[in-house]
Amino acid sequence: DTEVTQTPKHLVMGMTNKKSLKCEQHMGHRAMYWYKQKAKKPPELMFVYSYEKLSINESVPSRFSPECPNSSLLNLHLHALQPEDSALYLCASSQNEQGTYNEQFFGPGTRLTVL
Amino acid sequence: QQPVQSPQAVILREGEDAVINCSSSKALYSVHWYRQKHGEAPVFLMILLKGGEQKGHEKISASFNEKKQQSSLYLTASQLSYSGTYFCGTETGGGNKLTFGTGTQLKVEL
Repeated sequence: DTEVTQTPKHLVMGMTNKKSLKCEQHMGHRAMYWYKQKAKKPPELMFVYSYEKLSINESVPSRFSPECPNSSLLNLHLHALQPEDSALYLCASSQNEQGTYNEQFFGPGTRLTVL
Repeated sequence: QQPVQSPQAVILREGEDAVINCSSSKALYSVHWYRQKHGEAPVFLMILLKGGEQKGHEKISASFNEKKQQSSLYLTASQLSYSGTYFCGTETGGGNKLTFGTGTQLKVEL
């Protein structure tokens, strides 16, 4: 299985809602990532989990809260978002082992719209 | 700071070749190349490590000039399926932090 899956595909939420994005991989990868991508822009790194511990937080506002329940799952909890947070949210994973190339495999993304 | 890619956009006839460049202002540990089609996830193409090792798809080649902090992706005998936006991603140290470049839109026509 060489796939990263993300749910839901689309999400529309109000500014007072609480929702979660989910990501799953079964490749045995030990690093997982959240990226945000605006239209016609490159993906921007938000968070990195390495061996289920948060290793990078790119100064993301606290209304985004990541969680890594186990080595296969990654969640992004959303609360009190702003319309400018509307974007494609991409999850990725990589092996994260010494001696490997560590290329990242991306999921299809969740298209988020904040009203 | 974000790596700069050139050209910003290019249109090719099927069978033509193209070179996409990626330039960083920082010393690089590795360079990754991805292609993203509209509405889809980025797909891994190539990774080049400091020191010369690389891994990627058979029909794709790339170079990495560590001294100039630059990488180039070479697309030969282009096919319609090569259309999409190409991003380089650079790592300046270990730790899995990838910074994506400005992107190059490539369109292959018949």
